[in-house]
Amino acid sequence: GAVVSQHPSWVICKSGTSVKIECRSLDFQATTMFWYRQFPKQSLMLMATSNEGSKATYEQGVEKDKFLINHASLTLSTLTVTSAHPEDSSFYICSAGTRSSLDSEKLFFGSGTQLSVL
Amino acid sequence: SQKIEQNSEALNIQEGKTATLTCNYTNYSPAYLQWYRQDPGRGPVFLLLIRENEKEKRKERLKVTFDTTLKQSLFHITASQPADSATYLCALDMGGFQKLVFGTGTRLLVSP
Repeated sequence: GAVVSQHPSWVICKSGTSVKIECRSLDFQATTMFWYRQFPKQSLMLMATSNEGSKATYEQGVEKDKFLINHASLTLSTLTVTSAHPEDSSFYICSAGTRSSLDSEKLFFGSGTQLSVL
Repeated sequence: SQKIEQNSEALNIQEGKTATLTCNYTNYSPAYLQWYRQDPGRGPVFLLLIRENEKEKRKERLKVTFDTTLKQSLFHITASQPADSATYLCALDMGGFQKLVFGTGTRLLVSP
């Protein structure tokens, strides 16, 4: 199946600093990628839809100036958490889908990034 | 908005038994429903997709049913193994292609 690579797996940063998370589709092109956030024992919450070559679409309640998304190529999307605070500590996961004919609506997920803000 | 309910309590079963997990949704009927497996500290992995015009779908030891009248999907794992222990997530479309809303998941523990 398709592979989505996410980096880093975990990051610890000081409050007020920015953190960049990368999401790559390794063996397919992804015009659309999705960024989710997951708190312990809670559901994945969609933060934004990353569109190649255009602006990301953010879900209600997600601050676009705080969570910067860049999708500069068909295989790479980045999420930058700007001026991170302890409440931003969470598990961030990216996903992408292919346009293959079988079950094209399914998503392939990265391994996630655990962000801890001190 | 769509609301998805999955049993938040862990399901404990013995190896070899059939595990049955439930997913209920409350609003509009989705065009399809998906099931994912998530291990601790990892991203979800796709298992099965069932469409609104399908009653049942199988893949190896997995079986999914979809009842649009009851607004419910059941996920079965037959001949369960300890390696099946994980959290299983139900996901529905949010009205956009590949745009999904997830349930909180049910943790399955299979004892040897």
